[in-house]
Amino acid sequence: DAGITQSPRHKVTETGTPVTLRCHQTENHRYMYWYRQDPGHGLRLIHYSYGVKDTDKGEVSDGYSVSRSKTEDFLLTLESATSSQTSVYFCATQSRANSDQPQHFGDGTRLSIL
Amino acid sequence: AQTVTQSQPEMSVQEAETVTLSCTYDTSESNYYLFWYKQPPSRQMILVIRQEAYKQQNATENRFSVNFQKAAKSFSLKISDSQLGDTAMYFCAFIKGGSQGNLIFGKGTKLSVKP
Repeated sequence: DAGITQSPRHKVTETGTPVTLRCHQTENHRYMYWYRQDPGHGLRLIHYSYGVKDTDKGEVSDGYSVSRSKTEDFLLTLESATSSQTSVYFCATQSRANSDQPQHFGDGTRLSIL
Repeated sequence: AQTVTQSQPEMSVQEAETVTLSCTYDTSESNYYLFWYKQPPSRQMILVIRQEAYKQQNATENRFSVNFQKAAKSFSLKISDSQLGDTAMYFCAFIKGGSQGNLIFGKGTKLSVKP
């Protein structure tokens, strides 16, 4: 696939702590995305990036920030985690903005906020 | 705003039989793309098939095919000769043409293939 690695795969932490999830890709895709998956909601877009240092908000961006200092890495940060952010987080990449190119997904990170 | 609706939360099918998963969407766009993704218990999101709205011909990928009805805004997935490995959540997704980021997913259909 697109060589996407998410880390960590699982994380348990406490309310109020900062959390950073990492997405690393080896395909040199320009576009990268962070989604969250919750029961009954499918996947919802948090933030996306259309190039190094170029990011924008998605549907559910409150409480999250992102950074992209290199093409291959896209970081998602929860500055002060809350229980409502317990979810499975997926990173995706896309080679071109033209929508006939599908997004390719990483294996997800299961995050539990206690 | 675009929406995607999958009206069947769960379905089951016997091995070797055919099953159809429903998806409808709402949009005022004329240029858009539709996708079906499969998510097995391993949690991976795997692209199954895609359809470009301006193409009238229904997309086909081996045992997977779609019935794309643009006027009715319907995009159903047909799985022929179902296999145990087809057991998964299936998500329908929509994105308008020329747009990055705004891939909109339905809530999914859980398909169980029974031996």
